[in-house]
This record gives sequence, C-alpha cells and structure tokens, in this order.
Amino acid sequence: KNEVEQSPQNLTAQEGEFITINCSYSVGISALHWLQQHPGGGIVSLFMLSSGKKKHGRLIATINIQEKHSSLHITASHPRDSAVYICAVRRHGGSQGNLIFGKGTKLSVKP
Amino acid sequence: EAQVTQNPRYLITVTGKKLTVTCSQNMNHEYMSWYRQDPGLGLRQIYYSMNVEVTDKGDVPEGYKVSRKEKRNFPLILESPSPNQTSLYFCASSRQGLDSPLHFGNGTRLTVT
Repeated sequence: KNEVEQSPQNLTAQEGEFITINCSYSVGISALHWLQQHPGGGIVSLFMLSSGKKKHGRLIATINIQEKHSSLHITASHPRDSAVYICAVRRHGGSQGNLIFGKGTKLSVKP
Repeated sequence: EAQVTQNPRYLITVTGKKLTVTCSQNMNHEYMSWYRQDPGLGLRQIYYSMNVEVTDKGDVPEGYKVSRKEKRNFPLILESPSPNQTSLYFCASSRQGLDSPLHFGNGTRLTVT
C-alpha cells in the first residue's frame, strides 16, 4: 500500500464548479506539499502545510494531522485549472530532505 | 528572474554512455533535490542535498550519483545509463529543506536505448 494516497485519480468538472481533491497518508508527517503539474509538464508549488488551512486566490488547502488527511479545494473552477495535482509529504522523524509523493489527481475542467 | 535551470531539456543516449544532467538555481537556496517521474509510478525522489557538501539518498538512488560542490549547482550523473533509466527528470530547490516551498526546473526527458 502506498504511504500517500490521493483521490480521485481522475476528475472532470464543469467550469464554475467547486472541486475537492483528497490526500491521505499513513505515516506521521512534519510537512505536506501540494503541487500542480500543467499539461506541458512543468511543476509549480501551490502550498506547503504543517497545520490548519492556507488560502491563495481560488485555492484553499487544509490539513487534519490527527486524521492524516489533507484536502485541496478549488472554488469557481476554470478550464485553466486543468492539470495534475500532486500531494507530497515529509515523514516526521525521517530523513529531513526525503519527500514521498502521491500518484496525482488529473483534473479536467470543461467550459 | 528567480529560477531553477535544468539542461538539457531532451536527451537521447545509448546504454553505458556516461551523461550528466545539470541543475542550477539563482535563489541562494540551501536545499536541492532530484526526482524522476514515470507513468503509473508518479514522482520519486532520487537524491537530495540539504546544503553544500551534504547529499543523501532518496527512494530510488541506484544507478545515479550527485555532487554539491557549490550552493547553486546540483548535477545528476548517470555513470552507465540503462534503458530502465528512461524517464522524465526534475530538479527542485527550496530556501530551507522541506519546510519551504519547492521551486522546480522545467524537466529533462531522457531516453536510453
């Protein structure tokens, strides 16, 4: 079983819809990253979380350390949000620079 | 402009011919790392460096070497490439380990025949 699981694997939405992508992990962590990979392949960091909630524009990321779960929400989705969203975690107490990735959620937003 | 620069973008080579993929950042970041991305497997970490002269293995280090002689550069070396190293490679850096946002290079698509 993967230490970081994302759901759903694929998601199709209509423009304007509220979107939620989930990330569950089975290990204790000290940091969680949400990344966005565009169709051209480039990867951009969206959020780095260790607790609570962060917001940037239409994107909101939350984390519940006790439940070992994080969500990425997109409000008022737009076709330009179409991308693969990747969750990655740094294990608590493990090697300081070691990052483990989920397999990604492919989002397609239709106009 | 703050950036992580990887070269080359595309590389086709033959089994056993040593190659180096370069990675350079201009943000004075302490942390640098290498990842490979494969269909169905996602991203996996190869090596990382917390600072100059400090490197450590990630989850898939076999067949790769790295060095961090200067803060800005973190080359990935394949001494004897094999076809199973055909992949998309990314370099990334951050100000301070994994407690800071990561900045990624544009990727290097490597094909080993």
